[in-house]
Amino acid sequence: GAVVSQHPSWVICKSGTSVKIECRSLDFQATTMFWYRQFPKQSLMLMATSNEGSKATYEQGVEKDKFLINHASLTLSTLTVTSAHPEDSSFYICSYSGVIAANEQFFGPGTRLTVL
Amino acid sequence: GENVEQHPSTLSVQEGDSAVIKCTYSDSASNYFPWYKQELGKGPQLIIDIRSNVGEKKDQRIAVTLNKTAKHFSLHITETQPEDSAVYFCAAFSNDYKLSFGAGTTVTVRA
Repeated sequence: GAVVSQHPSWVICKSGTSVKIECRSLDFQATTMFWYRQFPKQSLMLMATSNEGSKATYEQGVEKDKFLINHASLTLSTLTVTSAHPEDSSFYICSYSGVIAANEQFFGPGTRLTVL
Repeated sequence: GENVEQHPSTLSVQEGDSAVIKCTYSDSASNYFPWYKQELGKGPQLIIDIRSNVGEKKDQRIAVTLNKTAKHFSLHITETQPEDSAVYFCAAFSNDYKLSFGAGTTVTVRA
């Protein structure tokens, strides 16, 4: 299957700081990538859709000024959590659409963010 | 938008027995139904999927069935093994080009 990497795998930061998470597709040039958030023992919730070369589309209730998404190339998308607070602590997962069918999604390993 | 319901939320089975997870969806336009396995601290891994033009698909010990009329789809795992223990998510791809996930099923295989 397709390979997606995320960096870092986990991060701990102080409240008020910003954290950047990278998502890379290693064997495919992805025009569309997705960012999800997952709280403990819950399902995945789509935060935003990231399109290469254009602005990301955010889901209702997700603050675009707090969760900055940049999809500058076909293999890299970044999510920056600005002025992080403890309630932002979560598991952040990226995915991208497959080649054969646009509805197939392959997920990265996730990034565990803990805000103190 | 699409609403996916998944049952049961937890499932404990004896090693070697079968496990069945059921999902329903609301949007009749949904045409793609993947199943993901998520181990603790890891991202979801696609284990099997089915499209709306097919009623059943099998891959070794895993099978998925789809009833478009009833808007039901199910995951069947036969001859369960301890390594099958994980959280399983069903999902539906709807006409808004997004995946909607079920709430997840925690499967525990007892040795």
